[in-house]
Amino acid sequence: DIVMTQSPDSLAVSLGERATINCKSSQSILYISNSKNSLAWYQQKPGQPPKLLFYWASTRESGVPDRFSGSGSGTDFTLTISNLQAEDVAVYYCQQYSSFPHTFGQGTKLEIK
Amino acid sequence: EVHLLESGGGLVQPGGSLRLSCAASGFTFSDYAMTWVRQAPGKGLVWVSAIAGSAAHTGYADSVKGRFTISRDNSKNMVYLQMNSLRVEDTAIYYCAKTEGSSWALDYWGQGTLVTVSS
Repeated sequence: DIVMTQSPDSLAVSLGERATINCKSSQSILYISNSKNSLAWYQQKPGQPPKLLFYWASTRESGVPDRFSGSGSGTDFTLTISNLQAEDVAVYYCQQYSSFPHTFGQGTKLEIK
Repeated sequence: EVHLLESGGGLVQPGGSLRLSCAASGFTFSDYAMTWVRQAPGKGLVWVSAIAGSAAHTGYADSVKGRFTISRDNSKNMVYLQMNSLRVEDTAIYYCAKTEGSSWALDYWGQGTLVTVSS
């Protein structure tokens, strides 16, 4: 199974500043057919189901603000939130869908400093 | 508008069985793979199982392989998760989710159904 490891487990960032969350896969998750990485990012707020932010590592889901960005390749990926807003407080998860089982990272809890 | 509604959760004793159902609407159901994801209280997301739109392809987490079975009825826009030999560690909210279309990423989620395994 592919293991997804996020870092840090939690972070506190000031309003208006930048938050960076990392995700590392235990092996390549490159999809040869389209040369894209099989990685998704989700945001989960308390009491709610997760919300898709990005797929193919950097394709932004409709409605997601452009201060959110996804990047990376190979085995290292990053979710960046610029100009942090209060409503961005949540737990963020990465997930690989390169091969079954489609494993999630352990989550990163983002708080306001 | 896409809508996913899970049902079938509840309290069951260890070793027991439950069948979860997910009713889908608002999209051409047979065109999309569907996935079950669970979340134990206060814990992270755990991918459980997925099934292709045609039902020809399925996958399972190691922790449920041989105990859980995913299926779908495209004529009824329903996806199911048959859970047998339930363990205390299977206690969680179970979410049904629709895949995005060009990938296996999950773009719509239900509100979840709670499964509690306890004696």
